[in-house]
Amino acid sequence: GENVEQHPSTLSVQEGDSAVIKCTYSDSASNYFPWYKQELGKGPQLIIDIRSNVGEKKDQRIAVTLNKTAKHFSLHITETQPEDSAVYFCAASMAGYQKVTFGIGTKLQVIP
Amino acid sequence: NAGVTQTPKFRVLKTGQSMTLLCAQDMNHEYMYWYRQDPGMGLRLIHYSVGEGTTAKGEVPDGYNVSRLKKQNFLLGLESAAPSQTSVYFCASSYNSGLYEQYFGPGTRLTVT
Repeated sequence: GENVEQHPSTLSVQEGDSAVIKCTYSDSASNYFPWYKQELGKGPQLIIDIRSNVGEKKDQRIAVTLNKTAKHFSLHITETQPEDSAVYFCAASMAGYQKVTFGIGTKLQVIP
Repeated sequence: NAGVTQTPKFRVLKTGQSMTLLCAQDMNHEYMYWYRQDPGMGLRLIHYSVGEGTTAKGEVPDGYNVSRLKKQNFLLGLESAAPSQTSVYFCASSYNSGLYEQYFGPGTRLTVT
């Protein structure tokens, strides 16, 4: 089955700096890569996703890049704010696959 | 719309006791999932369902059973709780397969002593 590795496990940045979280996946058939944000005491929530026919996608301060050849994808958060502090999960899935495989999560702390 | 709701929010069990966690969604989603979240281990899939009346095993199904008698509800049962089942449990639903956004509930924190 699919295996998703995520790093770093923890990340501290100063407010206003950028944060980058990286993930790799094992199955070249994977073609859907969502990112979820989990705030303290809440369930994860989708913040952005990318499909394999696209190399990059942006939504305001967040962007995701995908390199299918290398089988890795990354989340970029620019101009970080304290409210960006949370746990972020990457995930992978593929057509015909009923499940999503999650990474272990990255705890991001934005220091004011 | 309430989205995905979970009952209860917190529970403490003694080893060997049983309980059922209830998940309900009002989005008419076909797929529903149960995950457990433990420190350093991310989200691990316990069981899932691809439609009313169906269930399937996920990554860590041992010690759990599930039922999906109604499309909007997905129940997770622990027949004989063990301390290793101390965790935060999340239910999620999605419109269709793994290619669609999953909507998560707020979680149930379970402690087994």
